[in-house]
Amino acid sequence: DVVMTQSPDSLAVSLGERATINCKSSQSVFYSSNNKNYLAWYQQRPGQPPKLLIYWATTRESGVPARFSGSGSGTDFTLTISNLQAEDVAVYFCQQYYSTPPWTFGQGTKVEIK
Amino acid sequence: QVQLQQWGAGLLKPSETLSLTCAVYGGSFSGYYWSWIRQPPGKGLEWIGEVNHRGGTYFNPSLKSRLTISVDTSNNHVSLKLSSVTAADTALYYCARAMQWELRAFDIWGQGTMVTVSS
Repeated sequence: DVVMTQSPDSLAVSLGERATINCKSSQSVFYSSNNKNYLAWYQQRPGQPPKLLIYWATTRESGVPARFSGSGSGTDFTLTISNLQAEDVAVYFCQQYYSTPPWTFGQGTKVEIK
Repeated sequence: QVQLQQWGAGLLKPSETLSLTCAVYGGSFSGYYWSWIRQPPGKGLEWIGEVNHRGGTYFNPSLKSRLTISVDTSNNHVSLKLSSVTAADTALYYCARAMQWELRAFDIWGQGTMVTVSS
């Protein structure tokens, strides 16, 4: 199985500042044949199911604010939340969908307001 | 707008069989993979398995021996059965839709069903 490891486990950021979450996979999730990274990011607010933010490592899902951005390739990825808003308080997960199941998630990163 | 509605028994005794159903409303059922994902209280997400409209399945190897996932295309339902449950199976269970065959990111989620295993 591809193991996904996120860092940090939690972080506190001031309103309007930037939050950066890292995700590392135990093997590359990049396919050179189509130049795509098989990596998604989710936001889970308290008491809610996860919400898809980004797929293909960098493509924002429809309706997701532009302050959310994804970057990285191969085994190292980053989710950046610019200009942090109060409604961004949540747990964020990365997920790989490379090759064959099982699809696996990172352990989650909790974002709070400082 | 596609919506997923789940239901099933929320309290089980050890060794019983967990049984959940997910209904797909408001959109196409065919052409997608439908997954079950669980989340133990205060913990992360674990992918359980998936099924397509033809009944083709993939399972998490850690659960495969106890797992049945099926479809009812006449009602656009997906079902999960997990046998011989223990306290370790206590979790919030979600059904979710994968966007495409090659893009197994989950864009639509059910509301979740809390299942507790306790004697």
